[in-house]
Amino acid sequence: AQSVAQPEDQVNVAEGNPLTVKCTYSVSGNPYLFWYVQYPNRGLQFLLKYITGDNLVKGSYGFEAEFNKSQTSFHLKKPSALVSDSALYFCAVIPRAGNMLTFGGGTRLMVKP
Amino acid sequence: EAGVAQSPRYKIIEKRQSVAFWCNPISGHATLYWYQQILGQGPKLLIQFQNNGVVDDSQLPKDRFSAERLKGVDSTLKIQPAKLEDSAVYLCASSLRQGQGFYEQYFGPGTRLTVT
Repeated sequence: AQSVAQPEDQVNVAEGNPLTVKCTYSVSGNPYLFWYVQYPNRGLQFLLKYITGDNLVKGSYGFEAEFNKSQTSFHLKKPSALVSDSALYFCAVIPRAGNMLTFGGGTRLMVKP
Repeated sequence: EAGVAQSPRYKIIEKRQSVAFWCNPISGHATLYWYQQILGQGPKLLIQFQNNGVVDDSQLPKDRFSAERLKGVDSTLKIQPAKLEDSAVYLCASSLRQGQGFYEQYFGPGTRLTVT
């Protein structure tokens, strides 16, 4: 069975500082990996995805994520955080031959001025 | 491009009552998903449609939950009878095609259900 772990319930960072939101996964074979963001009272919004190729994936709003096959991780990063980045972030995985997208439990990012 | 539409946005019912949610996906998206998101957790897939056929309903509590997508476009999810533990946000999502896991899913705003 596939699973996704987001070990931090909340990440606090000061505006202008770099941020990292961690994600590790367990799935057979090479998966497709995604990050979504959820703002209050709104549905999930797609940020970025890893399919194949370069391990560093760039997405929306200046976010990027690094795929590490040996560590089965897909950490979300941003060089300089904004207060408006404060939201709930979800990592998700789907096997290449599978149908079901499995989400992690989410990490709340708080960016303080 | 219009996004995924859902209604109602909020619903409060008593336990043992029934409730229905509606979803209209992005035009041209063949695959439609219903998720349940309990407070403090990530979304959990309930059912997945490809056009009007069911692809995966392994996590749907079929004794009380049902869903249909009759014309391959919009969809309804029904709960009958509701239990307290059904209180959650029900999210609808759509994507271009199933079987191609790298197509991202686009989510609607969700319906927040409270069962009292």
